[in-house]
Amino acid sequence: QSVLTQTPSVSAAPGQKVTISCSGSSSNIGNNYVSWYQQFPGTAPKLLIYENNKRPSGIPDRFSGSKSGTSATLDITGLQTGDEADYYCGTWDSSLSAGVFGGGTKLTVL
Amino acid sequence: EVQLLESGGGLEQPGGSLRLSCAASGFSFSNYGMSWVRQAPGKGLEWVSDISGRGGVTYYADSVKGRFTISRDNSKNTLYLQMNSLRAEDTAVYYCARDRYSSSWPQGSWFDSWGQGTLVTVSS
Repeated sequence: QSVLTQTPSVSAAPGQKVTISCSGSSSNIGNNYVSWYQQFPGTAPKLLIYENNKRPSGIPDRFSGSKSGTSATLDITGLQTGDEADYYCGTWDSSLSAGVFGGGTKLTVL
Repeated sequence: EVQLLESGGGLEQPGGSLRLSCAASGFSFSNYGMSWVRQAPGKGLEWVSDISGRGGVTYYADSVKGRFTISRDNSKNTLYLQMNSLRAEDTAVYYCARDRYSSSWPQGSWFDSWGQGTLVTVSS
């Protein structure tokens, strides 16, 4: 059972937009920055979003993040088949004094 | 270019020990906190442990506290994870990752570079 809650799977057609949500509490998302990671099967995770809504260099602006209260979202617009992957949110939990991740969301581009 | 290369994984019996290493290059190693994150087969990411740049501050997940020890040798640009009293549920790919932050560590940090991972299997 993950501290952060993500919908296990989402799907959408190419070209469409999808929103992946991440729900937490005041001890984690509510008071700390959220980051998002993309992972393809058999490979290491890759940073997509940091500090809630910032993109590292090289990440397309089709990927955007936001945070409101104790929830965060990752939006992906103009979906491509190459976006099919697992997506994880992460943050620090100040009560646990530990890093925490969501359980992951598998994105299928139909 | 930042590179992180894990090693030391393998098959170990329950109750046994392993030491993982992560060789870092391409950046000033001692200036960065470092973390271990694991992923059990077919499961999601699980944060394991974190260490400050100078090694004086460490954090652990409850699932490994008292059994695992994170450390670093800044003269060798290497991160370690000593894993004792291994259990079947420790079976996973273990990734080392570099911490970045702009405001406070570790509360405001994220993982901007990851190694390729090393597989640890605990089984009799």
